[in-house]
Amino acid sequence: SQQGEEDPQALSIQEGENATMNCSYKTSINNLQWYRQNSGRGLVHLILIRSNEREKHSGRLRVTLDTSKKSSSLLITASRAADTASYFCATDAYSGGGADGLTFGKGTHLIIQP
Amino acid sequence: DGGITQSPKYLFRKEGQNVTLSCEQNLNHDAMYWYRQDPGQGLRLIYYSQIVNDFQKGDIAEGYSVSREKKESFPLTVTSAQKNPTAFYLCASSPMGTNNEQFFGPGTRLTVL
Repeated sequence: SQQGEEDPQALSIQEGENATMNCSYKTSINNLQWYRQNSGRGLVHLILIRSNEREKHSGRLRVTLDTSKKSSSLLITASRAADTASYFCATDAYSGGGADGLTFGKGTHLIIQP
Repeated sequence: DGGITQSPKYLFRKEGQNVTLSCEQNLNHDAMYWYRQDPGQGLRLIYYSQIVNDFQKGDIAEGYSVSREKKESFPLTVTSAQKNPTAFYLCASSPMGTNNEQFFGPGTRLTVL
């Protein structure tokens, strides 16, 4: 079953505005990651936040993690037309270590209107 | 798409035929993965391999098979037992250890006619 669930499913904003996407998950995690997918392409890793971190920044991206609420948010500031894509959160459920795959949500489709 | 290649990009097959999707990486990563993506959905894990000659079933392994004879290669066979094989298939790799950043290939879109 899919652990991560993004909200909203779709988001349309004007260029220059900020975009916020949320992700909820169900079980304890080692880390939470955000990926981006342009239509018909592979996924690109954006940022990883570990379970003992609360906030992380990378360029125009800001990710927060609230393990008590089992939720995360991705903020993209000063959006650009090129940010149009689908964004997925992925969790690494605690398994005692090992590279046994990620669990992805259904994604938020972001459209930036020029 | 960072050192992982998948071929072909598009694949058409008749119902009842087995088909093998290729995935190769030159990142020297130990772990490799296969995911399936359906329209408007997230990715679901089919199989993964943490080391050569070893692999594990993911959430939706039924109707699929894999091999890991070389570190660089992790081919996926979609068998005739897979009831609904039409989908977008994504291969990924990551360094061994924990579930850190995964590097994805460009994907193969399989259509079964």
